Amino acid sequence: KQEVTQIPAALSVPEGENLVLNCSFTDSAIYNLQWFRQDPGKGLTSLLLIQSSQREQTSGRLNASLDKSSGRSTLYIAASQPGDSATYLCAVETSYDKVIFGPGTSLSVIP
Amino acid sequence: EAQVTQNPRYLITVTGKKLTVTCSQNMNHEYMSWYRQDPGLGLRQIYYSMNVEVTDKGDVPEGYKVSRKEKRNFPLILESPSPNQTSLYFCASSLWAGNEKLFFGSGTQLSVL
Repeated sequence: KQEVTQIPAALSVPEGENLVLNCSFTDSAIYNLQWFRQDPGKGLTSLLLIQSSQREQTSGRLNASLDKSSGRSTLYIAASQPGDSATYLCAVETSYDKVIFGPGTSLSVIP
Repeated sequence: EAQVTQNPRYLITVTGKKLTVTCSQNMNHEYMSWYRQDPGLGLRQIYYSMNVEVTDKGDVPEGYKVSRKEKRNFPLILESPSPNQTSLYFCASSLWAGNEKLFFGSGTQLSVL
C-alpha cells in the first residue's frame, strides 16, 4: 500500500532564506507527484506537477524534483517571503488513479 | 472564472439525518474526487469518478455514496451520518486522471452531533 510522508512537519525560517521541503513515498509505481499549498481555512492550490517521466519542474521561485527510484521528491523555495507561510502537501497519483497525500509541512516565514 | 464550487461551506447536523454536499465544476473536467481532511490523518480520498456514470472507491468510502449523472456535478451523500464523519471535506477535479493538476473547492466543514 502506498504511503506518503513529509519531513519536517513544521518549519520556521527568517525571510529571505532558501529552504527545502521533503516528500517520500513507498511505491515507485506512480503517474505523477504534485505539490500543493493550503492556507488556513481554505482549499488546496496546486503549485507544481511532475510527471513520472520527468525529473523536475519549476515555477517562479519554486523548484520541485522527483527521484522515482528512491521514492523522494523535494520542493525548493528560493528567497522565502512571509506570504509563503502556509502548509505544503505533496500527493502521488497511483496506477489505480487514486491520489495519496502526505501529512504536510507547516511553513512559517518570519519577517 | 474557472472553479470548483462546494456547498454548503459549513454544516451542523445530527446523527442519522441524511445529507448531501454538492460539488460542481465549470471546467469540463472528466475526473472528480472527494477527500476528507482530519487532524493527524491528513487528506484521504473517499470516492473518485473518471467520467459520467463511472465511480470508484478511494481509501475511506464506508458511510458515503456518490453519483455522477452529469459531468459537472459530483455530490457526496451521507445516508446516515455518524459523529466519526465530522471532518473537513474537499471536492477536486482535473481535466482527466493522470498528469493533470487537481483543482480544489473551498471545503465543507461538517459537524455531526
